Amino acid sequence: QKEVEQNSGPLSVPEGAIASLNCTYSDRGSQSFFWYRQYSGKSPELIMSIYSNGDKEDGRFTAQLNKASQYVSLLIRDSQPSDSATYLCAVRRSADALNFGKGTSLLVTP
Amino acid sequence: DGGITQSPKYLFRKEGQNVTLSCEQNLNHDAMYWYRQDPGQGLRLIYYSQIVNDFQKGDIAEGYSVSREKKESFPLTVTSAQKNPTAFYLCASSLGTSGGNEQFFGPGTRLTVL
Repeated sequence: QKEVEQNSGPLSVPEGAIASLNCTYSDRGSQSFFWYRQYSGKSPELIMSIYSNGDKEDGRFTAQLNKASQYVSLLIRDSQPSDSATYLCAVRRSADALNFGKGTSLLVTP
Repeated sequence: DGGITQSPKYLFRKEGQNVTLSCEQNLNHDAMYWYRQDPGQGLRLIYYSQIVNDFQKGDIAEGYSVSREKKESFPLTVTSAQKNPTAFYLCASSLGTSGGNEQFFGPGTRLTVL
């Protein structure tokens, strides 16, 4: 079973700070990576997808991918209390399905 | 208004009963998926389908069954053979093999066994 590892947290950051969420994966052949946000009791919401090494920015969110180190991260700039949620890292496996990490809980304090 | 719908939102089942969870999408996506989420756990794949009338087992298919008779519908049946069915069930869809596999989720069904 291919693994996707995340620190469960909680990660606590003050409002306005940068939150850094990290994920490692075991399948060196993985090509597609995704970050989802999940509020308590709700379903996951896709935030970012990244396929190439380097950075990809979308508003306050930046995804970073390093395939050599098998590492993907999500940076959230100017963190807001509304960003408090669990963030799930997902890696594409064979035949379209995804492997998910257990998620990192983020708490943004006012 | 495009999206994925799941029903019911909450479902209670007595031991020994089969129940069917509905998932419908109007995104014209080829691929559909069922995941299960337990508290503090990641999502685990139950079944997936890349095309009508075809589906594959995921990592935890035992005690579950599915059908894919229409492109927009992918119902999941939780049978009495599933030993611990209480969980949050999530349906997702994606364009399929040609689309990069960005998956979008429905609102989920929370199943409780009494």
